[in-house]
Amino acid sequence: AQSVTQPDIHITVSEGASLELRCNYSYGATPYLFWYVQSPGQGLQLLLKYFSGDTLVQGIKGFEAEFKRSQSSFNLRKPSVHWSDAAEYFCAVGARTGNNDMRFGAGTRLTVKP
Amino acid sequence: DTEVTQTPKHLVMGMTNKKSLKCEQHMGHRAMYWYKQKAKKPPELMFVYSYEKLSINESVPSRFSPECPNSSLLNLHLHALQPEDSALYLCASSQDPGESTEAFFGQGTRLTVV
Repeated sequence: AQSVTQPDIHITVSEGASLELRCNYSYGATPYLFWYVQSPGQGLQLLLKYFSGDTLVQGIKGFEAEFKRSQSSFNLRKPSVHWSDAAEYFCAVGARTGNNDMRFGAGTRLTVKP
Repeated sequence: DTEVTQTPKHLVMGMTNKKSLKCEQHMGHRAMYWYKQKAKKPPELMFVYSYEKLSINESVPSRFSPECPNSSLLNLHLHALQPEDSALYLCASSQDPGESTEAFFGQGTRLTVV
């Protein structure tokens, strides 16, 4: 079964600084990959997804992520962080065939300093 | 309409009560999910329905009973819960039951068992 690792539990960045959140996945083939964001007490909002094709994907709110097959990674980036980006970020992996069990990483909590 | 609607938003129930959580989507999605999320943890998959049939049950205790009356509705019936079942319960839906394509999440029901 597929699995996801997010190595960083908590990251703090200053407003205006760049951001990179790490995600590594385990799956026997090319998976579907997602980044979701969750504000406290809220549901999850999809930031971006990778299915196939261009390995650099653009998402909402100025986020982008790059799929690197050789490193089994799908890191999330943003060039300039805004205070409103403070939230919990989850990387998720889904199988291409057979089932719908999308699995989430443990999450990375982002704090933005003024 | 890209919304998944969950009701109620908050629920407090005693350990002897019976209650139900409801989820509705009108996007024509044929896969629907229940996730459980404890504080500061990622969502954990509980159940998946594909074409209104239960396709995945992640060894969830029988005090949780899912039901999918039609392609737009998903219920989670609760009976004899324990305080440790207190959590945010998230419903999600996705278009294609055959693949783990992107899931749209509701805002969740915050459940407290007393």
